[in-house]
Amino acid sequence: LAKTTQPISMDSYEGQEVNITCSHNNIATNDYITWYQQFPSQGPRFIIQGYKTKVTNEVASLFIPADRKSSTLSLPRVSLSDTAVYYCLVGDKRIGGYNKLIFGAGTRLAVHP
Amino acid sequence: DTEVTQTPKHLVMGMTNKKSLKCEQHMGHRAMYWYKQKAKKPPELMFVYSYEKLSINESVPSRFSPECPNSSLLNLHLHALQPEDSALYLCASSALLREGTDTQYFGPGTRLTVL
Repeated sequence: LAKTTQPISMDSYEGQEVNITCSHNNIATNDYITWYQQFPSQGPRFIIQGYKTKVTNEVASLFIPADRKSSTLSLPRVSLSDTAVYYCLVGDKRIGGYNKLIFGAGTRLAVHP
Repeated sequence: DTEVTQTPKHLVMGMTNKKSLKCEQHMGHRAMYWYKQKAKKPPELMFVYSYEKLSINESVPSRFSPECPNSSLLNLHLHALQPEDSALYLCASSALLREGTDTQYFGPGTRLTVL
């Protein structure tokens, strides 16, 4: 499974757009890129997943360049409730099998008033 | 409904106690997982069950004993734990889809304290 590297922490202010970049230089052809969000004392929550180019849902956008060696999670107009740890994960979908998730250190995002 | 429930929310036990953590999902998922998370650290995979069979044991000490009675339930039996086993224990499930990706859905966790 490809190793991921993210900034340890980031600070932002309410209403701003936040971009968190994740490096995954050894990503394999079959690997998907997944982002999870975790609040203190809660389980991680799936945010978004992609394979290439751009994916957007009601919560975030995920930008993946052509070489797929990095990805950027974009959170539009953050609020105080977006303060959390954000994990970038890279792993393959095993047909007929489970998907083993290896969490990296994650990025602690602090949103200030 | 994308909910995974875990009970209890908090558990305090002595090193000689026997206790169990419970996890339940009603999404029809066929894979269930146990993770351990220490404070300010990422979750670490402990066990994976697929189709009610143990698929992965990540070299977890035998004082942790998983059980999957049916496709909706996952238990983690605890015996003779050590204080360093105090952590947040997370359960997750996934559908094991043959096409597309296999998103894991996590429960809220059980905060375990071993005295």
